[in-house]
Amino acid sequence: NAGVMQNPRHLVRRRGQEARLRCSPMKGHSHVYWYRQLPEEGLKFMVYLQKENIIDESGMPKERFSAEFPKEGPSILRIQQVVRGDSAAYFCASSPGQDQETQYFGPGTRLLVL
Amino acid sequence: KQEVTQIPAALSVPEGENLVLNCSFTDSAIYNLQWFRQDPGKGLTSLLLIQSSQREQTSGRLNASLDKSSGRSTLYIAASQPGDSATYLCAVTELTGGGNKLTFGTGTQLKVEL
Repeated sequence: NAGVMQNPRHLVRRRGQEARLRCSPMKGHSHVYWYRQLPEEGLKFMVYLQKENIIDESGMPKERFSAEFPKEGPSILRIQQVVRGDSAAYFCASSPGQDQETQYFGPGTRLLVL
Repeated sequence: KQEVTQIPAALSVPEGENLVLNCSFTDSAIYNLQWFRQDPGKGLTSLLLIQSSQREQTSGRLNASLDKSSGRSTLYIAASQPGDSATYLCAVTELTGGGNKLTFGTGTQLKVEL
């Protein structure tokens, strides 16, 4: 059973471009969480999704950021018109689908905005 | 708003020492508490999970305790080894309407020297 997969592992974008980060949960997991780790800071919750539904997006910036988890395919975190402050490590975690289950983390995508 | 604090921020010890990492949280209404390990440039590995009804959990040389009423947890590492060098993160799961959003501390960076 492969773990949580994220791609790309490293992404470089220039200011104003779009960044798309992908997360494939563990097999059988239908719940996905996205977290962001800014330089010298702890991980911060961004969004929690189930298949085709956003359950909690209280940690998402109001503008430029969006997330989806379609019925088929990976979860996507999309950042439009990136700025230098978006440079961070973005981690995805998945859980089987029941409340309070352990989350399994992917290796992260390191985004660098030039 | 839940806040999680970890002390110390960094720790350097000689190989073989027993050590204690501290974690405190401001809101005791948690479902569980987890300790993670993060290696440079890598994802997170779950080490121990303590349910709110439990007092401690053990795995090999690791022992984690939880005092929910006082908002504290400790991670005890026995007979430290150079391979234990990493950043250790504490995270709490809050009792929310759904899912298990994690709130992380900023971590303790541990270096075990030969």
